[in-house]
Amino acid sequence: EVVLTQSPGTLSLSPGERATLSCRASQSVRSNYLAWYQQKFGQAPRLLIYGASGRATGIPDRFSGSASGTDFTLTISRLEPEDFAVYYCQQYDNWTFGQGTKVEIK
Amino acid sequence: QVQLQESGPGLVKPSETLSLTCTVSGGSINGYYWSWVRQPPGKGLEYIGNIYYTGGTNYNPALRSRVAISLDRSRNQFSLKLSSLTAADTAVYYCARREERGFDPWGQGTLVTVSS
Repeated sequence: EVVLTQSPGTLSLSPGERATLSCRASQSVRSNYLAWYQQKFGQAPRLLIYGASGRATGIPDRFSGSASGTDFTLTISRLEPEDFAVYYCQQYDNWTFGQGTKVEIK
Repeated sequence: QVQLQESGPGLVKPSETLSLTCTVSGGSINGYYWSWVRQPPGKGLEYIGNIYYTGGTNYNPALRSRVAISLDRSRNQFSLKLSSLTAADTAVYYCARREERGFDPWGQGTLVTVSS
């Protein structure tokens, strides 16, 4: 069973800064079948990235995803006020999620 | 645009069975997988299981003994049953469409509290 470990647990940044979120898989992920979701307080998660690097419909291009082996990265190039939220990665093998990274305002 | 809406009781007693329904509007249930995910208060997301429109299911091994997901194509609905409830099952329960890309869209979620 693939286990996803996200780091850091919390990222404290200012608007305009670059955010780099990590998701490490315990074993190889089939065909980079990994997604990223954004969840704002009191809302359902929203699909941001699929297939490790594809942007979902309507997602701004400041969000990007990449993969290197079992390491996956979500990058937000310049944080907007609406980007402060919790981010989860998910792999498609057994559909489990990472534990989440909270991006908070510094 | 496909929309999903969860419905069901907000309070269930320990040892009883939770029953939730997800109604799909703006599109057909046919051709897709449909999923349930839950989130305990203040915690992360937990995959519960999914069902294909033809009826095949897949469950989280940690919950498999207590979970059943079914669907009603005539009503464009799918349902979740979770038995032998404890306080640890208190969570917001989400339904979502499972695509090859991931889970999209999601319902707004419904809070279920397990308490006597």
